[in-house]
Amino acid sequence: AQSVAQPEDQVNVAEGNPLTVKCTYSVSGNPYLFWYVQYPNRGLQFLLKYITGDNLVKGSYGFEAEFNKSQTSFHLKKPSALVSDSALYFCAVRDPYSGAGSYQLTFGKGTKLSVIP
Amino acid sequence: GAVVSQHPSRVICKSGTSVKIECRSLDFQATTMFWYRQFPKQSLMLMATSNEGSKATYEQGVEKDKFLINHASLTLSTLTVTSAHPEDSSFYICSARDEGREKLFFGSGTQLSVL
Repeated sequence: AQSVAQPEDQVNVAEGNPLTVKCTYSVSGNPYLFWYVQYPNRGLQFLLKYITGDNLVKGSYGFEAEFNKSQTSFHLKKPSALVSDSALYFCAVRDPYSGAGSYQLTFGKGTKLSVIP
Repeated sequence: GAVVSQHPSRVICKSGTSVKIECRSLDFQATTMFWYRQFPKQSLMLMATSNEGSKATYEQGVEKDKFLINHASLTLSTLTVTSAHPEDSSFYICSARDEGREKLFFGSGTQLSVL
């Protein structure tokens, strides 16, 4: 069974500093990995995904994530945090062998990011 | 703008009543929609996969008779929480698969509070 761990419930970072939100995963085979962001009272928004290819994936709003197969990690990063980045971030994994056309995702618990002005 | 509309965003009901939550894809047809449940400080849990024109596929531990899913058209799936109890209070989120764009879009969620 696949699983995702986000070890930090909350991350606080000063505006302008780099930020990292951690994610590790467990899945049989090669994973499809995703990051989503949830702003208050809004639905989940897609940030980026890793399917194959370059381990460093660039996404929306200046975010990027690095796939590390040996460490089974997919940490989300941004070089310079903005106050508007404050939100709840979810890492998710999809097992590409979970069935024809299946888009089922397994999510982490979520990490609340607070960017302090 | 939103491509998946979920309604209502918030509902408060009495114990024993039923609540229906709608999930609509606005600019694409979705043969597959998903329903998730999110507890505070916990991950999103997949409850069921809703397939247009056929029965939903429920995850282990999810009561089919409790959480009725209907996907009668290519743009609408509904989740009905029957005979709701306080322990059903949670945040429910739907997502819809856009096969054309190969993307999954999420609704804004429904906060259900059962008194």
